[in-house]
Amino acid sequence: GQNIDQPTEMTATEGAIVQINCTYQTSGFNGLFWYQQHAGEAPTFLSYNVLDGLEEKGRFSSFLSRSKGYSYLLLKELQMKDSASYLCAVRDRGAGSYQLTFGKGTKLSVIP
Amino acid sequence: DAEITQSPRHKITETGRQVTLACHQTWNHNNMFWYRQDLGHGLRLIHYSYGVHDTNKGEVSDGYSVSRSNTEDLPLTLESAASSQTSVYFCASSGTSGSDEQFFGPGTRLTVL
Repeated sequence: GQNIDQPTEMTATEGAIVQINCTYQTSGFNGLFWYQQHAGEAPTFLSYNVLDGLEEKGRFSSFLSRSKGYSYLLLKELQMKDSASYLCAVRDRGAGSYQLTFGKGTKLSVIP
Repeated sequence: DAEITQSPRHKITETGRQVTLACHQTWNHNNMFWYRQDLGHGLRLIHYSYGVHDTNKGEVSDGYSVSRSNTEDLPLTLESAASSQTSVYFCASSGTSGSDEQFFGPGTRLTVL
């Protein structure tokens, strides 16, 4: 089974940088995904990490440390539209396994 | 453009009724998934399918069933709706590469009275 932990809520100021952490415990690991979900909408894909290190995509970056069971999502130059929930999800290593286990999500509020 | 759609978007039903939620994708993805999302629980996997005639139980499958007769569709059936099944339901699909993300449908808000 898998256990994924992330903070429930965070608040940050427009223009600032925020880091959303995710820790996981899993019997096998085959990749970590971050999704963004605005209220009342579907989750949308942000990033994927399977090897240790930082993946950068514009204002968003995601980091993974497999030995520590740890990832973070870094959002730079925050904008009001970044107010959303951010979901961390882990894929198990099982053969032919494509299902994801999601954390409960971190609700980010961006204030002026 | 390829897409994934769900219908209905909103549904109110009564306890004990059978309900079917539709999911249709035009990505030609082999993998399809059903989740429910509730406050305090996040997204939880109900059932998933890796191809035609393949179905598997997820974490919270009791009271739900799916069937996969073609690549595009994975309908979710609640055999006898219960108030505990009031939730928002998301369908998703993905390719079969390790890095393939899941694409989510817009969701169905189901209320069981």
